[in-house]
Amino acid sequence: EVQLVESGGGLVQPGGSLRLSCAASGFTFSSYEMNWVRQAPGKGLEWVSYISSSGSTIYYADSVKGRFTISRDNAKNSLYLQMNSLRAEDTAVYYCARIGESDFDYWGQGTLVTVSS
Amino acid sequence: SSELTQDPAVSVALGQTVRITCQGDSLRSYYASWYQQKPGQAPVLVIYGKNNRPSGIPDRFSGSSSGNTASLTITGAQAEDEADYYCNSRDSSGNLVVFGGGTKLTVL
Repeated sequence: EVQLVESGGGLVQPGGSLRLSCAASGFTFSSYEMNWVRQAPGKGLEWVSYISSSGSTIYYADSVKGRFTISRDNAKNSLYLQMNSLRAEDTAVYYCARIGESDFDYWGQGTLVTVSS
Repeated sequence: SSELTQDPAVSVALGQTVRITCQGDSLRSYYASWYQQKPGQAPVLVIYGKNNRPSGIPDRFSGSSSGNTASLTITGAQAEDEADYYCNSRDSSGNLVVFGGGTKLTVL
């Protein structure tokens, strides 16, 4: 069974940093492209970042470029999102999502990041 | 433009057919995928590609596309279909992902 489990969320002050993790199981993690998608409270889905299966290709949404860094460790079946210079508008549930043959085919349950003083 | 536009809310009578649309220039080049999200839950893929359903998705869900508009059709809507629905696709470069603003479906 495919599972994606996010962790690392919490309360952080504006300007602070946080590192999210996504532990993958039930599939060959190193063969799949991965993404982070976020959802602010009561709002819609917003794509954040993409990383290829090898980690060699990375894309970011303009809203996080220069502040967030996506990475992966295929040996540990893990995806990461390093978030720096956090702002109130970064407050959201952050989901990791796999891209299979059928686009975003599996999603984690999400981890809540709250940026507030 | 890399934006995808959806109607904020749509309603349908139980057992009737409803169409949820998604508009954007990138849809002339890329298929949309559709996701169902119920309160407090992660999104679930319901339609991808030209008109494909992942395993476990009822066949009352179907997708279509014409020009700059993609559509999700639910034929014979059920009470459990009440949810938010999001489309997504790629921007004009094909590299970046874009989501529509979402449509809240109410089944009356």
